[in-house]
Amino acid sequence: AQTVTQSQPEMSVQEAETVTLSCTYDTSESDYYLFWYKQPPSRQMILVIRQEAYKQQNATENRFSVNFQKAAKSFSLKISDSQLGDAAMYFCAYRSQDAGGTSYGKLTFGQGTILTVHP
Amino acid sequence: GAVVSQHPSRVICKSGTSVKIECRSLDFQATTMFWYRQFPKQSLMLMATSNEGSKATYEQGVEKDKFLINHASLTLSTLTVTSAHPEDSSFYICSARKGLGQVTYEQYFGPGTRLTVT
Repeated sequence: AQTVTQSQPEMSVQEAETVTLSCTYDTSESDYYLFWYKQPPSRQMILVIRQEAYKQQNATENRFSVNFQKAAKSFSLKISDSQLGDAAMYFCAYRSQDAGGTSYGKLTFGQGTILTVHP
Repeated sequence: GAVVSQHPSRVICKSGTSVKIECRSLDFQATTMFWYRQFPKQSLMLMATSNEGSKATYEQGVEKDKFLINHASLTLSTLTVTSAHPEDSSFYICSARKGLGQVTYEQYFGPGTRLTVT
């Protein structure tokens, strides 16, 4: 079974600064997907960024980028120019690429990191 | 596109009663829906995977007779908490995956339902 670990329960950053959230995972699979989700106080889960394991290039989405180290099984999220609206709980998630079985698409989440942004 | 709704958003019920939560994909067909449970400041715990037209697949430790899941159509899955107890109080979130034949990398999440059992 796959596991996802976020070792930082809480992080804080000053507005306009950069912060990096850590995530490690354990899997025996070679093909999979990794995601970062944001959960603001509204509790609505929002996809921030995704990474296909077969791609060596790190994914970027505007101010959000990842550092994907496949051999180390590490998938960190960097938020640049932090904004007050970035304050939320962030979850790292893993998804197998296996298309078989009734649980196709099942996500395994890390414990989450609460990010506070100080003005 | 890819909007998922949940109803109700909040529900309070008395201990021993049953409550039904609906999850709907509004603008796409979802052959697979997932039900999660989340306690305050904790992660999402997958409870079960719901496939249209077949029995749900429950995660280890989840009581299938207590958490009844029905996925009768391609746009609707329901979670019924039977004989609810205060320890069932939690935030329940559903997500939906688009149907077969469409490439998709992510699930689309509903806004969640807060259940309080008194």
